[in-house]
Amino acid sequence: QQQVKQSPQSLIVQKGGISIINCAYENTAFDYFPWYQQFPGKGPALLIAIRPDVSEKKEGRFTISFNKSAKQFSLHIMDSQPGDSATYFCAASMTGGTSYGKLTFGQGTILTVHP
Amino acid sequence: GAVVSQHPSWVICKSGTSVKIECRSLDFQATTMFWYRQFPKQSLMLMATSNEGSKATYEQGVEKDKFLINHASLTLSTLTVTSAHPEDSSFYICSTGTAGPYEQYFGPGTRLTVT
Repeated sequence: QQQVKQSPQSLIVQKGGISIINCAYENTAFDYFPWYQQFPGKGPALLIAIRPDVSEKKEGRFTISFNKSAKQFSLHIMDSQPGDSATYFCAASMTGGTSYGKLTFGQGTILTVHP
Repeated sequence: GAVVSQHPSWVICKSGTSVKIECRSLDFQATTMFWYRQFPKQSLMLMATSNEGSKATYEQGVEKDKFLINHASLTLSTLTVTSAHPEDSSFYICSTGTAGPYEQYFGPGTRLTVT
């Protein structure tokens, strides 16, 4: 029940295209959903995050769409650039209880943006 | 976002020896830090939660006697891998947060290779 399932495993997009990565969770106690970007040999960097009281959040070229009833959320990268090529992880956590702050990560998506 | 550093960035040690990894929050006081492990081409797995001034709490399956965590100050947590073996070779990453632990920022990671 703690799983977060992420798809696709890998994604190839042309420069200027839209990259879409999907995640699904099972535990309805999750109430914080961040996305992280990780380059090889580096720690993950927080991109954008959403709480379940909103259905969409946009920051620059990055948008999270959230569907609480379906227990799904997705990351959209608009106007994808070669510099966006990295591994993206969705995650989920609870902001209360004994599991406060612990992140459960999806399996990761390797994004390649061709010039 | 918060700035988190780790030291060393990479370390090679012989089987049977111990290695200490430091995680520092550079611009804020962190009462809680998290330690993750990431094997090549895999996702991040939470190992333990480090609490300032108290004992760490470990995730199921993580040996607390092997992975010693100390959080002696609000800016420093350490992870000591004791009696390291080749299977402990991994990327170890710490994280902490500012606006409550649920908004987490990660350190750059430490690559441990046990020969």
